[in-house]
Amino acid sequence: QKEVEQNSGPLSVPEGAIASLNCTYSDRVSQSFFWYRQYSGKSPELIMSIYSNGDKEDGRFTAQLNKASQYVSLLIRDSQPSDSATYLCAVNGNDYKLSFGAGTTVTVRA
Amino acid sequence: GAGVSQSPSNKVTEKGKDVELRCDPISGHTALYWYRQSLGQGLEFLIYFQGNSAPDKSGLPSDRFSAERTGGSVSTLTIQRTQQEDSAVYLCASSPLEGAFFGQGTRLTVV
Repeated sequence: QKEVEQNSGPLSVPEGAIASLNCTYSDRVSQSFFWYRQYSGKSPELIMSIYSNGDKEDGRFTAQLNKASQYVSLLIRDSQPSDSATYLCAVNGNDYKLSFGAGTTVTVRA
Repeated sequence: GAGVSQSPSNKVTEKGKDVELRCDPISGHTALYWYRQSLGQGLEFLIYFQGNSAPDKSGLPSDRFSAERTGGSVSTLTIQRTQQEDSAVYLCASSPLEGAFFGQGTRLTVV
């Protein structure tokens, strides 16, 4: 079982719609969770971090965490063509080592 | 502010040559990672340094790969006797403890 798994893509959504990305993790003691955005040919960029159960909103992005179910999600509201990228879920384990999912590629159709 | 700096940005080398890739992390960050990313693929973990602890080398693909971190700061990834399958973007990331911030990467091409 992989440490961090993301829903398989690619995900195509129309402009203005909500893009929903899901991630599950295996290490029950994980405490810190992150979402990265990676544009083609660029390095991953940290866009969201979440540490407590519930929702965390930042602009059009909302991260959701459920530790009991060991999943974390990212919602992108009012999706824009500029949101087209690969989104990586990352989780800090009990040794603080960061583990990444394989990523989900999102395409926003104009 | 200064981010993670990697050098060189691009490196073309002949098969069989050794290469060194450098990473200057964000000042004060205790952890440092090296990843490899082939075209269209995900991040492949190579090595993890955390403070003064022994590095986690579990991701190094062969004994041709090695890395060191001097003085808890700058890190060098060395690939000996490069092969064409080593061609990829090598990414360094540093972390204050949780999360991580990436450099721009070194694109390595082995010809």
